[in-house]
Formats: sequence, structure tokens, C-alpha cells
Amino acid sequence: LAKTTQPISMDSYEGQEVNITCSHNNIATNDYITWYQQFPSQGPRFIIQGYKTKVTNEVASLFIPADRKSSTLSLPRVSLSDTAVYYCLVGDKGYSTLTFGKGTMLLVSP
Amino acid sequence: GAVVSQHPSWVICKSGTSVKIECRSLDFQATTMFWYRQFPKKSLMLMATSNEGSKATYEQGVEKDKFLINHASLTLSTLTVTSAHPEDSSFYICSAKLDRNTEAFFGQGTRLTVV
Repeated sequence: LAKTTQPISMDSYEGQEVNITCSHNNIATNDYITWYQQFPSQGPRFIIQGYKTKVTNEVASLFIPADRKSSTLSLPRVSLSDTAVYYCLVGDKGYSTLTFGKGTMLLVSP
Repeated sequence: GAVVSQHPSWVICKSGTSVKIECRSLDFQATTMFWYRQFPKKSLMLMATSNEGSKATYEQGVEKDKFLINHASLTLSTLTVTSAHPEDSSFYICSAKLDRNTEAFFGQGTRLTVV
């Protein structure tokens, strides 16, 4: 599985847009990029998955440049409840295994 | 999304006893289930991957005789921590996939405290 690198932490304020970038320089042709959110003492929650260009759903957007060596999770107008750890995972869609990196701790302040 | 339920949510046990944690996919049949443990302020560490009806595949460094995994049906996998010790205290999380092309759904986790 491709290794991922994310910022350890990020700070933001309510109402702002937050962009979390993940580097995955050795991503393979069959690999997809998936983001999960985790609150303390809870299991991770799926946010979004993409392969290339841009993917958008009701909670986030995922931007993937043409070389696919990085990706950016965009959270529009964050609220206090978006304070959580965000994990970027890269692997084939079959995900024979799911390996988590260190994640990004996002703190949203009033 | 699909629902994965873990039971119990938390458990306290005495050192030397065994504890069983259940992971159920409530509204889908899971061909593959994963078990993780997570220490405070750390990331999830994959312990093993199990496919229904076959033996689990353990990650390097995980004792399969200590952490028994049984994926007996398409909706249930169990993790038994045998002869638990205080260092086994952790947050255990399971996840399940319907098939190769779907994302994994996670249970709410089980907090194990061994005293």
C-alpha cells in the first residue's frame, strides 16, 4: 500500500473552509484515495473516496491533481463538530487490507 | 451508510481472564472484516483481516493464539482476547466490507480495560 503523509494537526475557526492535504508519492495505478473521520472513542467514519480530478458529496470535496501524488480534502464552512482526526488512506478499491497513517487532528474553534 | 455494531461498547475484566468482542454487520453481508486496536492519541493498528469461513490473516507481531478471531458467518466476527493482561487494555475496533468495490464501515469500538 502507498504510504501517506499528512500534517499532524490543523487549526481553524467556525465557518471557514479547511483543506487537508495528503501526500502519496508512490500511489499505484489501481489505487484509490479514501478519507475517514474519527471522533474520540468512536470508530472511523467514511467521508469520501476518489480516483482522479474532483469528487464532491454532501459533506466534503476531494481534489486530486493529474499526477495523483497528493490529494486535498476540502471541508466547507467547518463547525465545532468537525473537530476530529482525519485519515487519508491509499489502496486498491478492493482494500485487501486497510492501513491507517497518523492522521490529521483538526481543531475548530469558535 | 451500512451499519456495523460492536458489543460490548466497554468491558472491564480481571487479569488472566478472556474477553470476547462481537462485530456484526446489521444490514449487509460482510465478506471481509478487519480488527484494529488503538492506543490513546495513536492511529489505528490493523491486527488481522478475516474472510467468512476461512482463517484470519494476522499482521506481523500480532499473536494469533492470544487474539482469536472467528468469522463464522457473513454478519458476525468475534475477537477473543485470551488470558488478558493490563497491557492488552486498548480500544478495539472492527470494520466490514460488503465486497471488493465498497468502502469499509466501522463499528463504534470497544474499550477494554484489564485490571
